[in-house]
Amino acid sequence: GEDVEQSLFLSVREGDSSVINCTYTDSSSTYLYWYKQEPGAGLQLLTYIFSNMDMKQDQRLTVLLNKKDKHLSLRIADTQTGDSAIYFCAESKAAGNKLTFGGGTRVLVKP
Amino acid sequence: GAVVSQHPSRVICKSGTSVKIECRSLDFQATTMFWYRQFPKQSLMLMATSNEGSKATYEQGVEKDKFLINHASLTLSTLTVTSAHPEDSSFYICSALGTSGGYNEQYFGPGTRLTVT
Repeated sequence: GEDVEQSLFLSVREGDSSVINCTYTDSSSTYLYWYKQEPGAGLQLLTYIFSNMDMKQDQRLTVLLNKKDKHLSLRIADTQTGDSAIYFCAESKAAGNKLTFGGGTRVLVKP
Repeated sequence: GAVVSQHPSRVICKSGTSVKIECRSLDFQATTMFWYRQFPKQSLMLMATSNEGSKATYEQGVEKDKFLINHASLTLSTLTVTSAHPEDSSFYICSALGTSGGYNEQYFGPGTRLTVT
């Protein structure tokens, strides 16, 4: 079955870069996503990448995908206190299909 | 655009009662909506896929008679937790499938926190 794993916690100083890692097991995963969840709120889609891409950059966010190792990462440049949240990676077989989420990485940004 | 609302945002009910949670797509139509459950400090687990005008598809291990889903219109899906018990206490999040730039995307609601006493 599908399995998506993430580290539980990341602490980073304001202004530094954050890197959140994710691994998945299903080689048929076609779309890989990063979501942000603030306390008591729903999920906000940050970015996504197709499995035929290696990298995608969107302002402060850079997604790297190593399909061979089934490893996905999200880099947040110039991390701000407002970036403190839980970040989930997720995969799906097709756009709009059901999502399988990782356990979430809690990011704490210290001033 | 692509806003999804949930009502109520927070509900407390007694054991044995039923509670209904609404999920609405406010500015788009959604033939498909998803219901997720999130336990404290854990990930989201898909409970069921709700399709307008037809029966919901439940994930393995989810009791369809306990978690009743009705998707009666293109903008509204409801989840009713019947005969609720304390172990049903959780954060329930819905998403609605919309289209952005020709790409299908799930838009998430803000979630409903259910506490069963």
